[in-house]
Amino acid sequence: EVQLLQSGAEVKKPGATVKLSCKISGYTFTDYFINWVRQAPGKGLEWMGLVDPDDGEAFYSEKFQGRLIITSDTSTDTAYMDVTSLRSDDTAVYYCATMPEIAAPLLDSWGQGTLVTVTS
Amino acid sequence: DIQMTQSPSALSASAGDRVTISCRASQSIHRWLAWYQQKPGKAPKLLIYKASNLESGVPSRFNGSGSGTEFTLTISSLQPDDFATYYCQQYDSHKRTFGQGTKVEVK
Repeated sequence: EVQLLQSGAEVKKPGATVKLSCKISGYTFTDYFINWVRQAPGKGLEWMGLVDPDDGEAFYSEKFQGRLIITSDTSTDTAYMDVTSLRSDDTAVYYCATMPEIAAPLLDSWGQGTLVTVTS
Repeated sequence: DIQMTQSPSALSASAGDRVTISCRASQSIHRWLAWYQQKPGKAPKLLIYKASNLESGVPSRFNGSGSGTEFTLTISSLQPDDFATYYCQQYDSHKRTFGQGTKVEVK
């Protein structure tokens, strides 16, 4: 069974950095990108970036360029996302997910989500 | 980044209605489009991939069509379980993007 297990809820102050993790099981980690998607309260889904665990290359939404670092660790089958310079509007549920890809068999699976609250 | 524009942003419908949601890409994404359904407090659920392929287990009343820049999700006969928010998402580019969502509400 494919599973993506995310780290627990975080409360951070403005300006701080949060590090989120996503540990996979049930498939070969290097076969699929890991995407990070967030959803602010009452808002829509927002794709933030992805990492290719096969070579560690990451791609970021223009909106978050410079504030995100997405990495992967093949020794632990875990992806990470650092969000820096946090603001109150970064308060959201953050998901990691495998999603449809052009060059891979379909695997769509989501983590349970991590609530990040940014408050002074 | 490729921009995805959904319409309408919300609609009211009754069970049994035929519902159509549109999604437009700012440039051609060929057929690399997915549709998701999301209910409050839950992770999104994949309905359609590659524009028209039904994910396993998804009822056949959901239908996706389109290519290039224009796409449509149709629910042929709305069921009570279908009241939710729907998102399109492109994966033509490594930089993925979602539409802003369409909330399907009870009329």
